[in-house]
Amino acid sequence: AQSVTQLGSHVSVSEGALVLLRCNYSSSVPPYLFWYVQYPNQGLQLLLKYTSAATLVKGINGFEAEFKKSETSFHLTKPSAHMSDAAEYFCAVSDGDNFNKFYFGSGTKLNVKP
Amino acid sequence: DTEVTQTPKHLVMGMTNKKSLKCEQHMGHRAMYWYKQKAKKPPELMFVYSYEKLSINESVPSRFSPECPNSSLLNLHLHALQPEDSALYLCASRGQTDTQYFGPGTRLTVL
Repeated sequence: AQSVTQLGSHVSVSEGALVLLRCNYSSSVPPYLFWYVQYPNQGLQLLLKYTSAATLVKGINGFEAEFKKSETSFHLTKPSAHMSDAAEYFCAVSDGDNFNKFYFGSGTKLNVKP
Repeated sequence: DTEVTQTPKHLVMGMTNKKSLKCEQHMGHRAMYWYKQKAKKPPELMFVYSYEKLSINESVPSRFSPECPNSSLLNLHLHALQPEDSALYLCASRGQTDTQYFGPGTRLTVL
């Protein structure tokens, strides 16, 4: 069975500082991994995804994530936080079977201080 | 274009009402999903349709009734809901890749 753990339900950074949101997965098969962002009262927007083509994945809005199989991690980073990055971030894993059922982490709320 | 639309944006209903949520996509995706999301929680899968057939029902109460009239449209019929069913209902679709594209959601309040 798949599972995802996001360490830190709340992360607070200053504007301009590095953003690091952590995601660890458990998968019995090579995973497909995703990061989504959700702004208040909106749907989920895809930030980036890993599908085995490259271990360093670049996404939208300056975000990137690195797949590390040895650490079963897929942490999300951004070199310099912007106020508009304040949102909820979800990591998800899919095994590609079973109609691509997603297993979501519990989410990390990012707060950006001026 | 990766747009999934949902209507209405907001819905308030009483426990005896019957209402429907609508989801639409024109990307040619053949898999569509309904999720329920409570505040400060991740989305919870409710139903999956693949090629217009119900493929997964995550033990959802029968007061929620999904329908997929065609490959572009997904409905969720609501009847005799409870206040605890108040949540954000999200629709998603998926094409040939593994990526699910989400709609903006319907904020449902049950009085």
